Amino acid sequence: SAVISQKPSRDICQRGTSLTIQCQVDSQVTMMFWYRQQPGQSLTLIATANQGSEATYESGFVIDKFPISRPNLTFSTLTVSNMSPEDSSIYLCSVADRGQDEQFFGPGTRLTVL
Amino acid sequence: KNQVEQSPQSLIILEGKNCTLQCNYTVSPFSNLRWYKQDTGRGPVSLTIMTFSENTKSNGRYTATLDADTKQSSLHITASQLSDSASYICVVPRGGYIPTFGRGTSLIVHP
Repeated sequence: SAVISQKPSRDICQRGTSLTIQCQVDSQVTMMFWYRQQPGQSLTLIATANQGSEATYESGFVIDKFPISRPNLTFSTLTVSNMSPEDSSIYLCSVADRGQDEQFFGPGTRLTVL
Repeated sequence: KNQVEQSPQSLIILEGKNCTLQCNYTVSPFSNLRWYKQDTGRGPVSLTIMTFSENTKSNGRYTATLDADTKQSSLHITASQLSDSASYICVVPRGGYIPTFGRGTSLIVHP
């Protein structure tokens, strides 16, 4: 199984600022994903982070608001830009390997926007 | 529309009792169904993965069933423990690795 760490684990931010969340995996993985989990809700896929190219965003999410980087097979960042209180959520990084059914999740980053 | 519906939304049981959580899905084509446990403040952790040909799979006190004809799955927890208090999420991938998540069942086990 993959071990995933996220930084920061939590943060409280002011409206209008940006926060970059880091995701580090202990092994090379094919696929990395970023999810959002709003209070009391299930997980919603934001985008698939592609190594060396632009991320693939799901409907309702755009690159200007959630820029993503993936410079290699073990690391990715998600930035939440120009934050508003509606962005208060848990943001989770997830990884999977092509051909494998298992998907592993990081511990999440709890973001509160004031 | 690809959907995953879970019931009940929340459940409170006494320690030592059994319980069953339900998951109905309409995701197609079907490849597998996963049950995850998510402790408060943590990321989801996989409990079991069910493929099309599997009807029942156990992982300790957790037993998952799958009826691919009716598109239903259940997760049965035996002899519940306080540590079982968590959200249990049913996940069905669509189009390969893009999963569709249920809203989860929040389970509280009381001493």
